[in-house]
Amino acid sequence: QKEVEQNSGPLSVPEGAIASLNCTYSDRGSQSFFWYRQYSGKSPELIMSIYSNGDKEDGRFTAQLNKASQYVSLLIRDSQPSDSATYLCAVRDDKIIFGKGTRLHILP
Amino acid sequence: DTGVSQDPRHKITKRGQNVTFRCDPISEHNRLYWYRQTLGQGPEFLTYFQNEAQLEKSRLLSDRFSAERPKGSFSTLEIQRTEQGDSAMYLCASSLPGTGNGNEQFFGPGTRLTVL
Repeated sequence: QKEVEQNSGPLSVPEGAIASLNCTYSDRGSQSFFWYRQYSGKSPELIMSIYSNGDKEDGRFTAQLNKASQYVSLLIRDSQPSDSATYLCAVRDDKIIFGKGTRLHILP
Repeated sequence: DTGVSQDPRHKITKRGQNVTFRCDPISEHNRLYWYRQTLGQGPEFLTYFQNEAQLEKSRLLSDRFSAERPKGSFSTLEIQRTEQGDSAMYLCASSLPGTGNGNEQFFGPGTRLTVL
């Protein structure tokens, strides 16, 4: 059974600080990794994808992948109240396997 | 709007009734996925299609659930004899085939089902 593990939170971060979200996965053969953002009552929205070891930056978001440690992270710089949401870590094997999500709360 | 669309957005039904949901994928995407999400959980895979072929079904998908994609475009998900445990958000996603860069899955707005 392939699994994706995340801390459910809530993670509270002051506005303007860096939010750090972490995720581990069980299948060493996984190749495709994603972070989705989900606001309450809404569907998941893709914010980052990463396929190779290292960092990938897109605006205020940086995804980090370490395949040896089976670890994926998401950094959000200059956190804004609008970043308050649940962040879902996901691994793709044709279908997507999601973690349970981490609730992030940005404190104004 | 060229994103994934789902209909209806909300459905309230009584236990034992049948319900059907529709998903229209992004037009150039030949893969279509169905997921179910309950409160506090991540989405769980149900089934997926490549064109009109149903390639995989989850063990979560009981015999009361059936999905079709007859012409390789829109898809329907039917739940027969609904139970209260079927109450959830049903999500549809679409993508191009493959698992590499450029083949990400994009989700529709979901159909929220409440079984009374």
